Amino acid sequence: TQLLEQSPQFLSIQEGENLTVYCNSSSVFSSLQWYRQEPGEGPVLLVTVVTGGEVKKLKRLTFQFGDARKDSSLHITAAQPGDTGLYLCAGRHGGSTLGRLYFGRGTQLTVWP
Amino acid sequence: KAGVTQTPRYLIKTRGQQVTLSCSPISGHRSVSWYQQTPGQGLQFLFEYFSETQRNKGNFPGRFSGRQFSNSRSEMNVSTLELGDSALYLCASSLGDRELNTEAFFGQGTRLTVV
Repeated sequence: TQLLEQSPQFLSIQEGENLTVYCNSSSVFSSLQWYRQEPGEGPVLLVTVVTGGEVKKLKRLTFQFGDARKDSSLHITAAQPGDTGLYLCAGRHGGSTLGRLYFGRGTQLTVWP
Repeated sequence: KAGVTQTPRYLIKTRGQQVTLSCSPISGHRSVSWYQQTPGQGLQFLFEYFSETQRNKGNFPGRFSGRQFSNSRSEMNVSTLELGDSALYLCASSLGDRELNTEAFFGQGTRLTVV
């Protein structure tokens, strides 16, 4: 059973379209991180959100942490082929499990030129 | 600042053998955690070491073990390899000392194939 549920699992869109990826849980997280991973490589950290209701923008990417710190979303505006990759959300509970990240299954995004 | 370095990048082993993977964290980072990534299960947490002590452990059998050295470098060992152990093994490092310092940075991974 995954602690974090990501949706959709697959997304195939044309260049220029907008998209949103969701990451949901019944658990409260002290922080949540988003990563992008290319085939055969390790995940690359995009952003960390720690405060309920927090919104962070990274160029065309907008990340939001839910008010209750149980869910998050990633919105990409005007997607480009270079955005193609596996997007992963990962949460931390803090306390005794501080060093552990709980990952969602990921969203495989393909952006066609 | 150098990133997280994992060696080797690729390994092919036979069932029943054992394997040791290495991870050098970012300088100054004391927490090293290990994950197994497979297409079917995604990223699964193996264990985490902080200042040479195992601080967290996932639900993997005892064939999976690890350790951390005084310079924060970490190794993980898998004994009696099974076909199902074929995966990308990822190491992540972070400062790890308090909640504000938990951003995790991953290495490129070691691709283990068991035949």
